[in-house]
Amino acid sequence: GAGVSQSPSNKVTEKGKDVELRCDPISGHTALYWYRQSLGQGLEFLIYFQGNSAPDKSGLPSDRFSAERTGGSVSTLTIQRTQQEDSAVYLCASSPGQGLWQPQHFGDGTRLSIL
Amino acid sequence: EDKVVQSPLSLVVHEGDTVTLNCSYEVTNFRSLLWYKQEKKAPTFLFMLTSSGIEKKSGRLSSILDKKELFSILNITATQTGDSAIYLCAPRSQGGSEKLVFGKGTKLTVNP
Repeated sequence: GAGVSQSPSNKVTEKGKDVELRCDPISGHTALYWYRQSLGQGLEFLIYFQGNSAPDKSGLPSDRFSAERTGGSVSTLTIQRTQQEDSAVYLCASSPGQGLWQPQHFGDGTRLSIL
Repeated sequence: EDKVVQSPLSLVVHEGDTVTLNCSYEVTNFRSLLWYKQEKKAPTFLFMLTSSGIEKKSGRLSSILDKKELFSILNITATQTGDSAIYLCAPRSQGGSEKLVFGKGTKLTVNP
């Protein structure tokens, strides 16, 4: 597609439920990143994919968070047993990932609200 | 631990004013520093700075990096209401994921 696409754009769920967030990167981009932006905070790195593998998961805040990427394209971020502190905007970014480093391009994010 | 501090956190100006946004950083294996503009949703890329002392310009926006003192500034001249946004500074580390480490941002409001 023309840009990074994320869905849903908004998600409201009850505490304790599982949620899945989707990211469709720019076509051909092999590097994919997930970030979280809480109110009044900067973007916090969660996980990095190069192709289908995730060599850097250091930002995942707990084992309730996981992510996968299949076919080197779409990625899903799953949060199990959601807590109120998980409320944030989850942003996905992609970059070509090969050759000369190029800036990451961001999607519009998923605004997650945990009641 | 990597650290990025942006100042001021919030700034309100009138159209036509010039503003300077500051970013100081401590990042291991520093490679480059990026500036992004975030209006409502997706941050959009403005500049990438790799070398000290070389100003990058794009229209009314310019930015410069000081790798010795570990800071960068973003200048906006003749501000317009469309410049209202959150400006994010993000140093990049070399190697590994080369993830970006973001500051909290400066929220700029330009009033008519």
